[in-house]
Amino acid sequence: EVQLVESGGALVQPGGSLRLSCAASGFSINYYWMSWVRQAPGKGLEWVANIQPGGSGTFYVDSVKGRFTVSRDDAKNSLYLQMNSLRAEDTAVYYCSRETTGEGFGFWGQGTLVTVSS
Amino acid sequence: EVVLTQSPATLSLSPGERATLSCRASQSVGNYLAWYQQKPGQAPRLLIYDASNRATDIPARFSGSGSGTDFTLTISSLEPEDFAIYYCQQRSDWPPYTFGQGTKLEIK
Repeated sequence: EVQLVESGGALVQPGGSLRLSCAASGFSINYYWMSWVRQAPGKGLEWVANIQPGGSGTFYVDSVKGRFTVSRDDAKNSLYLQMNSLRAEDTAVYYCSRETTGEGFGFWGQGTLVTVSS
Repeated sequence: EVVLTQSPATLSLSPGERATLSCRASQSVGNYLAWYQQKPGQAPRLLIYDASNRATDIPARFSGSGSGTDFTLTISSLEPEDFAIYYCQQRSDWPPYTFGQGTKLEIK
């Protein structure tokens, strides 16, 4: 069974840093583009970043460029999101998702909550 | 950036009725449009990809149509479990992938 389990969400002060993790099971992430998608409280979905197989290519939404870094460790079958210089507007549930080629975001984790507040 | 506009914002219907949800793109996305369902406290679930293809295990009452800039998600006969929020998403012109703002389908 395909599973994605996020962790690392917390309450952090503005300007702080946080590292989110996503542990995959039931498949090898080696072959897949992997994404982070977030959802602010009571709001819609926003794609944040993704990383291609092998990790050589990473892409970001403009609002997080230069602050967030997506990475992967295929040996640990895990995806990460390093978040620096956090702002109140980064407050959201962060979902890890496996991109299914030619389809979309086919599998999602349950999400982890990041709250940026003093 | 491709902007997706969904309508209506809220749709109030009864079980057994037909639901028609709309998604309009600010520029052509070809057929690279997907639909997702999200229930409270849950992650989204992929329903439809490439405008009209049902994802794995999605019931036949869900169908998608459209191309270019205008797309429709139809639920032929609403079941109680279908009341949720629905999002469209494009993968034609990225980054960034973009989502619509959502349509809430509520019980009348």
